[in-house]
Amino acid sequence: KNEVEQSPQNLTAQEGEFITINCSYSVGISALHWLQQHPGGGIVSLFMLSSGKKKHGRLIATINIQEKHSSLHITASHPRDSAVYICAVRGADGLTFGKGTHLIIQP
Amino acid sequence: GAVVSQHPSWVICKSGTSVKIECRSLDFQATTMFWYRQFPKQSLMLMATSNEGSKATYEQGVEKDKFLINHASLTLSTLTVTSAHPEDSSFYICSPGSAGHTGAQYFGPGTRLLVL
Repeated sequence: KNEVEQSPQNLTAQEGEFITINCSYSVGISALHWLQQHPGGGIVSLFMLSSGKKKHGRLIATINIQEKHSSLHITASHPRDSAVYICAVRGADGLTFGKGTHLIIQP
Repeated sequence: GAVVSQHPSWVICKSGTSVKIECRSLDFQATTMFWYRQFPKQSLMLMATSNEGSKATYEQGVEKDKFLINHASLTLSTLTVTSAHPEDSSFYICSPGSAGHTGAQYFGPGTRLLVL
């Protein structure tokens, strides 16, 4: 079974700061998802990666398959980015989720 | 992106009653539906996988007679928590199998269940 570790667990930053959230996993995967969960509980899919790098607006996601590691970056962070960010990996037994990183961006 | 709805979004019930949660995929056909449960500050845990027209498969430790899943059509899957107890209080989320060739993963907005 894949072990998915995220760091940090909690992160508080000031508006405008560059944010990095990390995800590592133990077993080879076919894809990795970055998800955003808002305080109400709803989950939004941000990225699906199988290699390289993807960018969408102020969000950038990278993955290193050899090192079994992915990062999610937020540039020019804003209070509305405050949420829980979850890494989920897709393997032979489906999706395995990390515990999430609770991000708070203060104005 | 695909739209997934869940109903109800909130439910409070007395211990011993049954609660039905509906999950609908609004703009695509979902042959598979994943049901997750999330406790506060915990990650999503897969409870069961439902397949349209066949029996659901349950994860280890999840009682199939307590959590009844029905996937009667390609757009509707239901989870019924039977004889609910306070320890069943949780956030329940459905997620259709990957949408088409994109492999994108979508989630319902979730149902928060509180059993008194």
